[in-house]
Amino acid sequence: KAGVTQTPRYLIKTRGQQVTLSCSPISGHRSVSWYQQTPGQGLQFLFEYFSETQRNKGNFPGRFSGRQFSNSRSEMNVSTLELGDSALYLCASSLDTSGQSYNEQFFGPGTRLTVL
Amino acid sequence: QKEVEQDPGPLSVPEGAIVSLNCTYSNSAFQYFMWYRQYSRKGPELLMYTYSSGNKEDGRFTAQVDKSSKYISLFIRDSQPSDSATYLCAKETSGSRLTFGEGTQLTVNP
Repeated sequence: KAGVTQTPRYLIKTRGQQVTLSCSPISGHRSVSWYQQTPGQGLQFLFEYFSETQRNKGNFPGRFSGRQFSNSRSEMNVSTLELGDSALYLCASSLDTSGQSYNEQFFGPGTRLTVL
Repeated sequence: QKEVEQDPGPLSVPEGAIVSLNCTYSNSAFQYFMWYRQYSRKGPELLMYTYSSGNKEDGRFTAQVDKSSKYISLFIRDSQPSDSATYLCAKETSGSRLTFGEGTQLTVNP
């Protein structure tokens, strides 16, 4: 079974630009979450999508947005990039079967974004 | 105060040593606690999860949760160079949302 895939793996942008990152979850997984990882702040939750709806949101500005498609694939967008947005962006998927109390999250390899 | 606190290390030990990694947390609302391992240039992978309080063992790894002191621990016995990685503790915050510690970088020297 293929794991979570993220594209692109590396990205270099300049301040003020916008960027779109893509995540393909494990087949059959319905929940997709996004995290930002930086050396100073560690892993921080951005948002979660389930059945094309944002179900949970972290404490990030509105420049960070996302969406999920009917095949569960997800994209996140960052507009008006700032230097501080340089980070590893990780996507995680889970089966999220109703009635199951614990849903393991499987992480992709991440997209390394550098903002110059 | 961060919801999950973890000493970032780095931690360097000789091969065969017992490694102890620790985290503290501040919100007891949810019950699941996890340890993830992250190799360089890879995403985190789940090592173990525990529910509520108590111990869980898997091979050389033991996870422990002490709810009275809000302490999460991971013990690695007979550590190997292949265990060299960053170890992240996490707790369920709401639904699928996880809150992570900063991560402890571990190096096991042959």
